[in-house]
Amino acid sequence: QLQLQESGPGLVKPSETLSLTCTVSGDSVSSHNYYWGWIRQSPGKGLEWIASIHYTGTTYYNPSLNGRLTIFVDTSKNQFSLRLISVTAADTAVYYCARLLATAGPGGRRNCFDAWGQGTVVTVSS
Amino acid sequence: QSVLTQPPSVSAAPGQKVTISCSGSSSNIGENYVSWYQQLPGTGPKLLIYENSKRPSGIPDRFSGSKSGTSATLDITGLQTGDEADYYCGTWDSNVHAHVVFGGGTKVTVL
Repeated sequence: QLQLQESGPGLVKPSETLSLTCTVSGDSVSSHNYYWGWIRQSPGKGLEWIASIHYTGTTYYNPSLNGRLTIFVDTSKNQFSLRLISVTAADTAVYYCARLLATAGPGGRRNCFDAWGQGTVVTVSS
Repeated sequence: QSVLTQPPSVSAAPGQKVTISCSGSSSNIGENYVSWYQQLPGTGPKLLIYENSKRPSGIPDRFSGSKSGTSATLDITGLQTGDEADYYCGTWDSNVHAHVVFGGGTKVTVL
């Protein structure tokens, strides 16, 4: 059974770097058919896609986050991670990791997150 | 401001039907498939519908999706108290190169 588990610091000071890791069990991050991604949800708000990565190294980033992001995968540990620099209070959110099916064909792209972690709360505060 | 527009809330009595709309544009819904997610209170989202109208294993057929032009719709029939949740639509957007753009979410209340 596929499971994704986020881990992170919980509390980060403004201007510092947030590092999050997602540990995957029940599937391989080297699976050719899937990307692996991060989504966040600010308090009382909706979902915001942050970044995605394929094990081959192909990455996609949310352009609204202005180049502050790095996503990378560690196939030896079956994990993928997110780094967000220069955090502010606006980055306070629940961060979810998820598996992304991203294929294209007749009718367009079929992107959807088909499995999610339970989320980890990140608070940016001094 | 979300790329996809959903009504903030809908409500109905148990056993009734609710319809949630998701409005987009040619760069997102108009040329790509739509997925829907259910987020029960205090939990992470769960995939409810993919490729406009397909249900993952274990999702009851009370949940159905459709797409027409630049809009998509999620129908919930035979509404149950356990369906109280937030529902989000999502799709690819070629203008922003976002793997998934989401709607703002719709709160379903069972009266």
